[in-house]
Amino acid sequence: GNSVTQMEGPVTLSEEAFLTINCTYTATGYPSLFWYVQYPGEGLQLLLKATKADDKGSNKGFEATYRKETTSFHLEKGSVQVSDSAVYFCALSNAGNNRKLIWGLGTSLGVNP
Amino acid sequence: DAGVIQSPRHEVTEMGQEVTLRCKPISGHNSLFWYRQTMMRGLELLIYFNNNVPIDDSGMPEDRFSAKMPNASFSTLKIQPSEPRDSAVYFCASSLRFGEAGQPQHFGDGTRLSIL
Repeated sequence: GNSVTQMEGPVTLSEEAFLTINCTYTATGYPSLFWYVQYPGEGLQLLLKATKADDKGSNKGFEATYRKETTSFHLEKGSVQVSDSAVYFCALSNAGNNRKLIWGLGTSLGVNP
Repeated sequence: DAGVIQSPRHEVTEMGQEVTLRCKPISGHNSLFWYRQTMMRGLELLIYFNNNVPIDDSGMPEDRFSAKMPNASFSTLKIQPSEPRDSAVYFCASSLRFGEAGQPQHFGDGTRLSIL
């Protein structure tokens, strides 16, 4: 079946540090991959997405590349800010699963000044 | 454009009472989703609608939960009777062209429900 595995948190970094949050997936066919971000007290917001192999999604300094050979979609940012403190969710949707979003458990990121 | 609007933002009620959560999706979106988020279970899809028709309610925990979408701009999630284990944050989300590759879901800010 379809599943998403994220690295466990919480992750704590200092401002301007490099960020990687790992995400791997299991799916048949060619899923679409997403990263969502949830700030405290708010709903989830789409951060970036990729729909085919080798696509790179990017937004607000965050990037993730769809790697079919390693079934991964790791989230990266070169220099984090305090305002990036949030919970990050990796998700996939697949035609074989009627395009419902399959979610990872989320990774909490805290950035200290 | 207005995003997904949920009401109320917070609800505190006693066990056994009926709870009704409301959602207005983004205008023009053809699909609507209800989720529940807890620390223990993460984000769970309860039910989703396409063109106002319920497509998959396999995530609804039990018969105490029901959801309706009488028109394209309004949906309700009802719990009757409520129990303390229903305490969670409930999110509504909508999508423009559900079924297409890469279509994202747009979330409301949620209703934080506490059942005493």
